[in-house]
Amino acid sequence: GAGVSQTPSNKVTEKGKYVELRCDPISGHTALYWYRQSLGQGPEFLIYFQGTGAADDSGLPNDRFFAVRPEGSVSTLKIQRTERGDSAVYLCASSLEASARAQYFGPGTRLTVL
Amino acid sequence: QKEVEQNSGPLSVPEGAIASLNCTYSDRGSQSFFWYRQYSGKSPELIMSIYSNGDKEDGRFTAQLNKASQYVSLLIRDSQPSDSATYLCAVKSGGSNYKLTFGKGTLLTVNP
Repeated sequence: GAGVSQTPSNKVTEKGKYVELRCDPISGHTALYWYRQSLGQGPEFLIYFQGTGAADDSGLPNDRFFAVRPEGSVSTLKIQRTERGDSAVYLCASSLEASARAQYFGPGTRLTVL
Repeated sequence: QKEVEQNSGPLSVPEGAIASLNCTYSDRGSQSFFWYRQYSGKSPELIMSIYSNGDKEDGRFTAQLNKASQYVSLLIRDSQPSDSATYLCAVKSGGSNYKLTFGKGTLLTVNP
């Protein structure tokens, strides 16, 4: 079946602009996660959704970052007033449920802030 | 102290050899351990998971877990050039049944 999909695959923006990154999880997966991966680092947790609600947003770096999942499926990560330090690959993952053992990652969105 | 530590490498082995990748973690309450493979420019791909002490084998891959030593390893037998990638160790800590904490990854190069 279809895996996790993310759009766009690449996004180049200017400092100070607003961006939205989209994630479409595997069908039937109730848990959805956003991670951020900087060059040479492992992915770092940003936020976790169980259904429509953000169960844990403790990894979001600051209040410029926000994520929604209004219908319990597709999620959007929103970044306001982007900064050069936001440049990274943003990875989305999903799992059947939060305690499920396997998280499956999408291809990621490479964000570049000029 | 970083929660999950891996030798960043690069680790270079000849084709057909055994590659040994190591990972230590700081949270003694951790229960779930994962190895992901990440090719350059691609996303992480789950290759092994292990939850109890001992060895778990899947094809050419063997994961080993020692909770007393807070150590998990991945052995790749008969290494192939196609195994060349970064291998990420990930841990679900005792306080969370959903959040993965990753190491920085070990770059493995298998030379033909």
